Amino acid sequence: AQSVTQLDSQVPVFEEAPVELRCNYSSSVSVYLFWYVQYPNQGLQLLLKYLSGSTLVESINGFEAEFNKSQTSFHLRKPSVHISDTAEYFCAVSGGAQKLVFGQGTRLTINP
Amino acid sequence: EAGVAQSPRYKIIEKRQSVAFWCNPISGHATLYWYQQILGQGPKLLIQFQNNGVVDDSQLPKDRFSAERLKGVDSTLKIQPAKLEDSAVYLCASSLVLKQGVRTEAFFGQGTRLTVV
Repeated sequence: AQSVTQLDSQVPVFEEAPVELRCNYSSSVSVYLFWYVQYPNQGLQLLLKYLSGSTLVESINGFEAEFNKSQTSFHLRKPSVHISDTAEYFCAVSGGAQKLVFGQGTRLTINP
Repeated sequence: EAGVAQSPRYKIIEKRQSVAFWCNPISGHATLYWYQQILGQGPKLLIQFQNNGVVDDSQLPKDRFSAERLKGVDSTLKIQPAKLEDSAVYLCASSLVLKQGVRTEAFFGQGTRLTVV
C-alpha cells in the first residue's frame, strides 16, 4: 500500500526567497506522483505531476519537483516565491491501479 | 470542458440525522473518488470507484457511510446517522484511465462543507 509523508506542516519564508517543500513516499509498485495546491477557501488544483519520462517536472508558475526513486522523494521547489504562493500544498501518490493517497499538507506562508 | 460538479456546497445537520452528497464527474472519467478533509488535515480517501465497481473502501466507516455509483457515472455518498466528528469537507474527484492502464491526475470538485451540530 502507498503512503505519503510531508515532512513539514508549516513553512514560513520571505518573499523572493527560495523554498523547498519535502515529500517522501512509500509504495510497492511503480508510482505516479502529484503536487496539489489549495488556496484559501478554494478547491484542490493540480500543480504538477510525474507519470513517466523526465524526473524533473515543472509547473507554469515556476514550481518544479524532482522524482528521486532511490530516495523515494518528490520534493517541490521554487527559486523565488511571491505573496500569491501562500497556500496549502499536498503531495499525493498513486501506484498503478491502486488508490490515490495524499499527505497531510504543508502550509506555505510568505512574509513580505 | 465542465468540471466535477458537487452538491450541495454547504450542509448543517444535527447529530444522528442523515445526509447525502451528490457528485457528477467529468464526462468519460472512469475513476471516481470520495475524500473526507477535516480542517487542517490532508484529504482522506473514503472510497474509490472504477466505473461502477469499488477499487478501495478500506477507510469508509461502513456502519454509517455508504456510497454508490450507479451506471458508472454520477455518485452519491450518504452518512446515516451523522456524528459530530463527521464535520468536514467532502470532496469528489475523477480521473481518466489511459489505454495503457495509467490513471491521470484527479480533478476535484469544490466540495461539500458538512457541519454536524
